[in-house]
Amino acid sequence: NAGVTQTPKFRILKIGQSMTLQCAQDMNHNYMYWYRQDPGMGLKLIYYSVGAGITDKGEVPNGYNVSRSTTEDFPLRLELAAPSQTSVYFCASRSTGGAFGTQYFGPGTRLLVL
Amino acid sequence: AQTVTQSQPEMSVQEAETVTLSCTYDTSENNYYLFWYKQPPSRQMILVIRQEAYKQQNATENRFSVNFQKAAKSFSLKISDSQLGDTAMYFCAWAWGNDMRFGAGTRLTVKP
Repeated sequence: NAGVTQTPKFRILKIGQSMTLQCAQDMNHNYMYWYRQDPGMGLKLIYYSVGAGITDKGEVPNGYNVSRSTTEDFPLRLELAAPSQTSVYFCASRSTGGAFGTQYFGPGTRLLVL
Repeated sequence: AQTVTQSQPEMSVQEAETVTLSCTYDTSENNYYLFWYKQPPSRQMILVIRQEAYKQQNATENRFSVNFQKAAKSFSLKISDSQLGDTAMYFCAWAWGNDMRFGAGTRLTVKP
């Protein structure tokens, strides 16, 4: 099992450019999450999904969009990149269940907006 | 609003000794979950230990244990017999439903 994979590992964007951060998991998890980690800070939830076709906002959704067409994939879209979006982005997934099961994190994507 | 506070930005400990990292949180929910994550320089987020709020017994995982004080909203992590490989950032996190909040982290250095 590859677990949670993210591409690219690192990207430099110019202000106003757009890009999609890819996330895939092979554990058949229904729940998937996107977080951002600013320098010296903890993670903040951007968006999450509880299954294909169902997404919802987290704590810091402004400037981002998501879609979930399959169980495996959960891409994060930045439409108009701004310097404030310079961060490390983590994708995570977990299985369904009443208890909050373990979240499995991807290796992260480092994004620099100049 | 739910918040998680880690009041110790940096800590150090000698190899083989014991260290305790502090975490407090604020929530109006009753059945929530608490976690400690380790983030080494590789940036990978690694789950260290988790605690269900409805359980009074403190969770333990080998050298790692927690002191969960629900009324005080406190969730500290004790690392016994510290090893050089424990050097990392440690994040305390709270979760309820699909909401998860992280503290700002404590940078732990284990000295030989």
